[in-house]
Amino acid sequence: GENVEQHPSTLSVQEGDSAVIKCTYSDSASNYFPWYKQELGKRPQLIIDIRSNVGEKKDQRIAVTLNKTAKHFSLHITETQPEDSAVYFCAASDPTSGTYKYIFGTGTRLKVLA
Amino acid sequence: DSGVTQTPKHLITATGQRVTLRCSPRSGDLSVYWYQQSLDQGLQFLIQYYNGEERAKGNILERFSAQQFPDLHSELNLSSLELGDSALYFCASNQGNDETQYFGPGTRLLVL
Repeated sequence: GENVEQHPSTLSVQEGDSAVIKCTYSDSASNYFPWYKQELGKRPQLIIDIRSNVGEKKDQRIAVTLNKTAKHFSLHITETQPEDSAVYFCAASDPTSGTYKYIFGTGTRLKVLA
Repeated sequence: DSGVTQTPKHLITATGQRVTLRCSPRSGDLSVYWYQQSLDQGLQFLIQYYNGEERAKGNILERFSAQQFPDLHSELNLSSLELGDSALYFCASNQGNDETQYFGPGTRLLVL
């Protein structure tokens, strides 16, 4: 089945610097890759997503890149702010048998230091 | 607000007991997914329902069961509870395809 690896597990950056989180997936059939931000005790909230027919997508300070050949995708946050501090999860949809369930990475705890 | 609702928000119970968690999907969504998140852990997929039928199972224990009703709300039943079942339980919904899943606020279960 699908497996998603996420690195690093923790990341500390100075305010204003960039942060990059990387994920690798195993099933080449996966075609949808969302990123979720989760603040302590809150629900995961979608921040950006990308489909397999697109190589890059941007939304203001956030961007996601996808390399289908290497089966990895990355989240880029520029000009980081203290409110970006949270746990970030990548996921890959598993289209096996039409289920489309998500397989999540293990999460990255991002700390933005003021 | 994602449009997905979950009740209760918090639940405290004892080992050996049985609880039911409830989820109402966004209007128009046919599929409900249940995830378990233990302390400082990732999100583990438990089970998916689509229009009342079970579609996929993940790492769901035999002590756990779920169903989706004709009005599309779903219930997750956890029985013979153990300390290790303490976790946040999230449901998410979408139309059952590869569109975005929207998460509810979660139910925090504490087993004492």
